[in-house]
Amino acid sequence: AQKITQTQPGMFVQEKEAVTLDCTYDTSDPSYGLFWYKQPSSGEMIFLIYQGSYDQQNATEGRYSLNFQKARKSANLVISASQLGDSAMYFCAMREVFSGGYNKLIFGAGTRLAVHP
Amino acid sequence: SQTIHQWPATLVQPVGSPLSLECTVEGTSNPNLYWYRQAAGRGLQLLFYSVGIGQISSEVPQNLSASRPQDRQFILSSKKLLLSDSGFYLCAWSPLGGETQYFGPGTRLLVL
Repeated sequence: AQKITQTQPGMFVQEKEAVTLDCTYDTSDPSYGLFWYKQPSSGEMIFLIYQGSYDQQNATEGRYSLNFQKARKSANLVISASQLGDSAMYFCAMREVFSGGYNKLIFGAGTRLAVHP
Repeated sequence: SQTIHQWPATLVQPVGSPLSLECTVEGTSNPNLYWYRQAAGRGLQLLFYSVGIGQISSEVPQNLSASRPQDRQFILSSKKLLLSDSGFYLCAWSPLGGETQYFGPGTRLLVL
């Protein structure tokens, strides 16, 4: 069965510094996708970044980058130049494909990031 | 651009009362639709998904049901709420054949 593990329940970072949020996954499927979502206190899940299992380069979206190490089955999120607005819960998720044309997301337990001024 | 709406934003209901949460998507056709529940301080659990009108699949047995009466409308219902139904309910959509799911603002449900 597919599984997502986030081992850091909480992280602290100083404003303007970089921070890495860890995510490891387990799957036997050769084709899969990895996602990171941000959940601020308002509750909405905001899509940040996606990495496909066949992508050769690490995904980047602005200040977000995904450190994809396929052999280690890790997909860590790197946030550069942290801002106070980055304080939120961050969830790693993996796509599981089912017949019938839909994708199921398996979520990790999340990491709460606090950015200090 | 596509937008997803959920209402109500918050809801307090007594045990045994019915429930209806609504989700609508704008700006796209034939989306896949999903209902998730998030318990306090936890990750998301998929409850239902739909690949088309009238097509509903359930992930886990529970006190809830879902319906999709229109292409871009997804409804979560219960005939009699339980205390354990309290939580944060999120609706999501993905494009037909697409990878990424996009979430609505959510509904906080408290059953007393």
